[in-house]
Amino acid sequence: SQQGEEDPQALSIQEGENATMNCSYKTSINNLQWYRQNSGRGLVHLILIRSNEREKHSGRLRVTLDTSKKSSSLLITASRAADTASYFCATVKNSGNTPLVFGKGTRLSVIA
Amino acid sequence: IAGITQAPTSQILAAGRRMTLRCTQDMRHNAMYWYRQDLGLGLRLIHYSNTAGTTGKGEVPDGYSVSRANTDDFPLTLASAVPSQTSVYFCASSEQGSSYNEQFFGPGTRLTVL
Repeated sequence: SQQGEEDPQALSIQEGENATMNCSYKTSINNLQWYRQNSGRGLVHLILIRSNEREKHSGRLRVTLDTSKKSSSLLITASRAADTASYFCATVKNSGNTPLVFGKGTRLSVIA
Repeated sequence: IAGITQAPTSQILAAGRRMTLRCTQDMRHNAMYWYRQDLGLGLRLIHYSNTAGTTGKGEVPDGYSVSRANTDDFPLTLASAVPSQTSVYFCASSEQGSSYNEQFFGPGTRLTVL
Protein backbone atom coordinates (compact mmCIF):
# COMPACT_ATOMS: atom_id res chain seq x y z
CA SER A 1 0.00 0.00 0.00
CA GLN A 2 1.09 3.59 -0.59
CA GLN A 3 3.00 5.31 2.18
CA GLY A 4 1.96 8.77 1.03
CA GLU A 5 -1.50 9.82 -0.03
CA GLU A 6 -2.10 13.09 -1.84
CA ASP A 7 -5.16 15.24 -1.41
CA PRO A 8 -7.10 16.35 -3.35
CA GLN A 9 -7.06 13.81 -6.18
CA ALA A 10 -7.75 16.59 -8.66
CA LEU A 11 -7.61 20.39 -8.50
CA SER A 12 -8.64 22.97 -11.08
CA ILE A 13 -7.70 26.63 -10.68
CA GLN A 14 -7.39 29.81 -12.74
CA GLU A 15 -4.03 31.05 -13.90
CA GLY A 16 -2.51 33.38 -11.31
CA GLU A 17 -4.13 31.63 -8.35
CA ASN A 18 -2.22 29.60 -5.79
CA ALA A 19 -2.48 25.82 -5.75
CA THR A 20 -2.09 23.78 -2.58
CA MET A 21 -1.69 20.02 -2.52
CA ASN A 22 -1.36 17.89 0.58
CA CYS A 23 0.35 14.62 1.35
CA SER A 24 -0.24 12.43 4.38
CA TYR A 25 1.92 9.49 5.30
CA LYS A 26 1.79 6.67 7.80
CA THR A 27 5.20 5.97 9.32
CA SER A 28 8.22 7.98 10.41
CA ILE A 29 10.28 9.31 7.53
CA ASN A 30 13.78 10.58 6.87
CA ASN A 31 12.62 12.94 4.16
CA LEU A 32 9.77 13.63 1.81
CA GLN A 33 10.07 14.44 -1.87
CA TRP A 34 7.71 16.04 -4.37
CA TYR A 35 7.69 15.18 -8.08
CA ARG A 36 5.82 16.54 -11.09
CA GLN A 37 4.63 14.53 -14.08
CA ASN A 38 3.49 16.16 -17.26
CA SER A 39 1.06 14.16 -19.35
CA GLY A 40 2.78 11.28 -21.12
CA ARG A 41 6.17 12.00 -19.57
CA GLY A 42 8.34 10.68 -16.77
CA LEU A 43 8.41 12.19 -13.30
CA VAL A 44 10.64 15.15 -12.52
CA HIS A 45 11.98 15.83 -9.04
CA LEU A 46 10.88 19.18 -7.58
CA ILE A 47 12.03 19.40 -3.99
CA LEU A 48 13.19 17.34 -1.02
CA ILE A 49 12.46 18.30 2.57
CA ARG A 50 14.21 16.54 5.43
CA SER A 51 12.46 15.41 8.59
CA ASN A 52 14.20 18.12 10.64
CA GLU A 53 13.02 20.88 8.28
CA ARG A 54 9.65 22.59 8.51
CA GLU A 55 9.59 24.65 5.34
CA LYS A 56 11.50 24.86 2.10
CA HIS A 57 11.28 27.12 -0.93
CA SER A 58 12.27 26.73 -4.55
CA GLY A 59 11.16 29.47 -6.91
CA ARG A 60 7.35 29.55 -6.85
CA LEU A 61 7.22 26.32 -4.83
CA ARG A 62 6.85 26.20 -1.08
CA VAL A 63 6.85 22.91 0.78
CA THR A 64 6.00 22.45 4.43
CA LEU A 65 6.41 19.40 6.61
CA ASP A 66 4.63 18.64 9.87
CA THR A 67 6.06 15.44 11.28
CA SER A 68 3.69 15.51 14.26
CA LYS A 69 0.74 15.31 11.87
CA LYS A 70 2.62 13.17 9.35
CA SER A 71 1.72 15.55 6.57
CA SER A 72 3.27 17.81 3.97
CA SER A 73 1.91 20.46 1.66
CA LEU A 74 3.10 21.76 -1.70
CA LEU A 75 2.11 25.32 -2.56
CA ILE A 76 2.54 26.66 -6.07
CA THR A 77 2.16 30.43 -6.12
CA ALA A 78 0.98 32.50 -9.08
CA SER A 79 0.19 29.37 -11.08
CA ARG A 80 0.68 29.20 -14.82
CA ALA A 81 -0.88 27.02 -17.50
CA ALA A 82 2.48 25.23 -17.73
CA ASP A 83 2.04 24.05 -14.14
CA THR A 84 -0.72 21.74 -15.34
CA ALA A 85 0.54 18.29 -14.37
CA SER A 86 0.21 15.56 -11.77
CA TYR A 87 2.11 16.04 -8.53
CA PHE A 88 3.32 13.17 -6.38
CA CYS A 89 4.82 12.96 -2.93
CA ALA A 90 7.30 10.21 -2.15
CA THR A 91 8.58 8.88 1.15
CA VAL A 92 10.41 5.86 2.48
CA LYS A 93 8.25 3.19 3.98
CA ASN A 94 10.77 2.25 6.67
CA SER A 95 13.81 3.97 8.02
CA GLY A 96 17.07 3.05 6.37
CA ASN A 97 18.20 2.44 2.85
CA THR A 98 14.91 1.48 1.24
CA PRO A 99 13.36 2.76 -1.98
CA LEU A 100 10.92 5.63 -2.19
CA VAL A 101 7.21 4.90 -2.17
CA PHE A 102 5.06 7.22 -4.27
CA GLY A 103 1.52 8.35 -3.60
CA LYS A 104 -1.23 8.29 -6.20
CA GLY A 105 -0.84 11.94 -7.08
CA THR A 106 -2.87 15.13 -7.40
CA ARG A 107 -3.87 16.14 -10.89
CA LEU A 108 -3.61 19.93 -11.21
CA SER A 109 -5.26 21.80 -14.06
CA VAL A 110 -4.43 25.48 -14.45
CA ILE A 111 -6.86 27.24 -16.75
CA ALA A 112 -5.60 30.21 -18.73
CA ILE B 1 23.47 14.18 -22.38
CA ALA B 2 20.69 11.62 -22.71
CA GLY B 3 20.04 10.84 -19.04
CA ILE B 4 17.82 7.78 -19.07
CA THR B 5 16.54 6.14 -22.21
CA GLN B 6 13.92 3.45 -22.48
CA ALA B 7 13.02 1.19 -25.36
CA PRO B 8 10.65 0.54 -26.91
CA THR B 9 8.44 3.61 -26.57
CA SER B 10 5.38 1.45 -26.89
CA GLN B 11 4.59 -2.17 -27.61
CA ILE B 12 1.57 -4.36 -28.20
CA LEU B 13 2.21 -7.90 -27.11
CA ALA B 14 0.26 -11.14 -27.26
CA ALA B 15 -0.37 -12.85 -23.94
CA GLY B 16 2.15 -15.56 -23.19
CA ARG B 17 4.97 -13.88 -25.09
CA ARG B 18 8.27 -12.94 -23.52
CA MET B 19 9.24 -9.28 -23.51
CA THR B 20 12.24 -7.31 -22.32
CA LEU B 21 11.99 -3.61 -21.65
CA ARG B 22 15.33 -1.87 -21.92
CA CYS B 23 16.66 0.93 -19.75
CA THR B 24 20.01 2.66 -20.05
CA GLN B 25 21.43 5.59 -18.10
CA ASP B 26 24.59 7.57 -18.76
CA MET B 27 24.85 9.36 -15.42
CA ARG B 28 26.88 6.60 -13.73
CA HIS B 29 24.18 6.31 -11.08
CA ASN B 30 24.51 3.37 -8.74
CA ALA B 31 20.81 2.78 -8.16
CA MET B 32 18.12 1.99 -10.71
CA TYR B 33 14.41 1.26 -10.43
CA TRP B 34 11.47 -0.05 -12.41
CA TYR B 35 7.94 1.23 -11.76
CA ARG B 36 4.60 0.59 -13.33
CA GLN B 37 1.97 3.29 -13.46
CA ASP B 38 -1.70 2.44 -13.67
CA LEU B 39 -4.65 4.80 -13.60
CA GLY B 40 -5.90 5.26 -10.06
CA LEU B 41 -3.00 3.32 -8.53
CA GLY B 42 -0.14 5.73 -9.00
CA LEU B 43 3.43 4.53 -9.30
CA ARG B 44 4.33 1.14 -7.89
CA LEU B 45 7.85 -0.20 -7.56
CA ILE B 46 8.53 -3.51 -9.32
CA HIS B 47 12.24 -4.14 -8.77
CA TYR B 48 15.26 -2.07 -7.89
CA SER B 49 19.02 -2.32 -7.84
CA ASN B 50 21.22 -0.35 -5.45
CA THR B 51 24.41 -1.25 -7.29
CA ALA B 52 25.59 -3.35 -10.21
CA GLY B 53 25.28 -7.03 -9.41
CA THR B 54 22.48 -6.66 -6.85
CA THR B 55 18.72 -6.47 -7.20
CA GLY B 56 15.76 -6.26 -4.85
CA LYS B 57 12.03 -6.79 -5.00
CA GLY B 58 9.62 -3.92 -4.82
CA GLU B 59 5.91 -3.80 -4.11
CA VAL B 60 4.73 -5.73 -7.20
CA PRO B 61 7.54 -8.05 -8.40
CA ASP B 62 5.53 -11.11 -9.46
CA GLY B 63 5.77 -11.89 -13.17
CA TYR B 64 8.82 -9.69 -13.64
CA SER B 65 12.55 -10.25 -13.45
CA VAL B 66 15.54 -7.92 -13.68
CA SER B 67 19.28 -8.12 -14.00
CA ARG B 68 22.04 -5.58 -13.37
CA ALA B 69 25.15 -6.83 -15.13
CA ASN B 70 26.67 -3.34 -15.30
CA THR B 71 26.08 0.17 -14.00
CA ASP B 72 24.35 1.55 -17.08
CA ASP B 73 21.73 -1.06 -17.99
CA PHE B 74 18.75 -2.41 -16.09
CA PRO B 75 16.47 -4.52 -18.30
CA LEU B 76 13.04 -5.67 -17.12
CA THR B 77 11.76 -8.99 -18.44
CA LEU B 78 8.23 -10.32 -18.56
CA ALA B 79 8.72 -14.07 -18.97
CA SER B 80 5.14 -14.78 -20.04
CA ALA B 81 3.06 -11.62 -20.41
CA VAL B 82 -0.50 -11.45 -19.09
CA PRO B 83 -3.15 -8.77 -19.76
CA SER B 84 -2.86 -7.44 -16.20
CA GLN B 85 0.67 -6.34 -17.08
CA THR B 86 -0.75 -3.76 -19.46
CA SER B 87 0.65 -0.55 -18.05
CA VAL B 88 3.11 2.28 -18.52
CA TYR B 89 6.55 1.29 -17.29
CA PHE B 90 9.07 3.81 -16.02
CA CYS B 91 12.72 3.27 -15.35
CA ALA B 92 14.50 5.60 -12.94
CA SER B 93 17.93 6.05 -11.44
CA SER B 94 19.53 7.83 -8.51
CA GLU B 95 23.10 8.52 -7.54
CA GLN B 96 22.85 6.20 -4.56
CA GLY B 97 20.14 3.86 -3.33
CA SER B 98 19.23 6.21 -0.54
CA SER B 99 16.00 7.98 0.15
CA TYR B 100 17.97 11.25 0.25
CA ASN B 101 18.71 11.01 -3.45
CA GLU B 102 16.37 12.38 -6.07
CA GLN B 103 15.33 9.98 -8.77
CA PHE B 104 15.63 10.70 -12.48
CA PHE B 105 13.00 9.13 -14.70
CA GLY B 106 13.00 7.87 -18.25
CA PRO B 107 10.21 8.71 -20.72
CA GLY B 108 8.36 5.45 -20.15
CA THR B 109 7.27 2.43 -22.18
CA ARG B 110 3.58 1.91 -22.85
CA LEU B 111 2.90 -1.82 -22.93
CA THR B 112 -0.37 -3.41 -23.99
CA VAL B 113 -0.83 -7.14 -23.50
CA LEU B 114 -3.71 -8.65 -25.44
